[in-house]
Amino acid sequence: RKEVEQDPGPFNVPEGATVAFNCTYSNSASQSFFWYRQDCRKEPKLLMSVYSSGNEDGRFTAQLNRASQYISLLIRDSKLSDSATYLCVVRPGDTGRRALTFGSGTRLQVQP
Amino acid sequence: ETGVTQTPRHLVMGMTNKKSLKCEQHLGHNAMYWYKQSAKKPLELMFVYNFKEQTENNSVPSRFSPECPNSSHLFLHLHTLQPEDSALYLCASSQLTALGRSSSYNEQFFGPGTRLTVL
Repeated sequence: RKEVEQDPGPFNVPEGATVAFNCTYSNSASQSFFWYRQDCRKEPKLLMSVYSSGNEDGRFTAQLNRASQYISLLIRDSKLSDSATYLCVVRPGDTGRRALTFGSGTRLQVQP
Repeated sequence: ETGVTQTPRHLVMGMTNKKSLKCEQHLGHNAMYWYKQSAKKPLELMFVYNFKEQTENNSVPSRFSPECPNSSHLFLHLHTLQPEDSALYLCASSQLTALGRSSSYNEQFFGPGTRLTVL
């Protein structure tokens, strides 16, 4: 089983739609969670951290479900500029020095 | 501005060439990383450096040789590469926070990458 799993998509949605992505992780001791965004042929950039109580940043809402070991990203009122690949990122909770683990990404295409 | 710079941005090399990729971070971080991203594949972690010491090497072939002279600079020396090594090579940095006996990696900031083509 992969450490971080995402549906690769693509998710093709019209402008203004609401779209949600899920991501599952295998390590129950994982401590921190992030969503990164990567535009075509560009580097990944942090979109938002995911907190246990859930958090919202404008049109973006992130949720964490520790019991089921998944995190989600909800995008409301999709814009054309939201088209990108969204990477789910998990920081293992084991002691020792392990870097962040990236999922393979979910591609979103917002259409006019 | 990203705070993490990489040079060159594009590189074409033959299988017998030797070249180096350079990364510099201006964020005061103490951890730096090399990732490889091939077409339609997820990011693959190659190396991790904390305080200039290599702490992770994810079974990377010896034709890739990292060097970290200080906490702001990271190099990836390349020699006798194969065509399948063609990819986007991304450098990242983050702040490593000590928490008791363990350590915690915070979010990473990426450079723009070097797009490498091996002929």
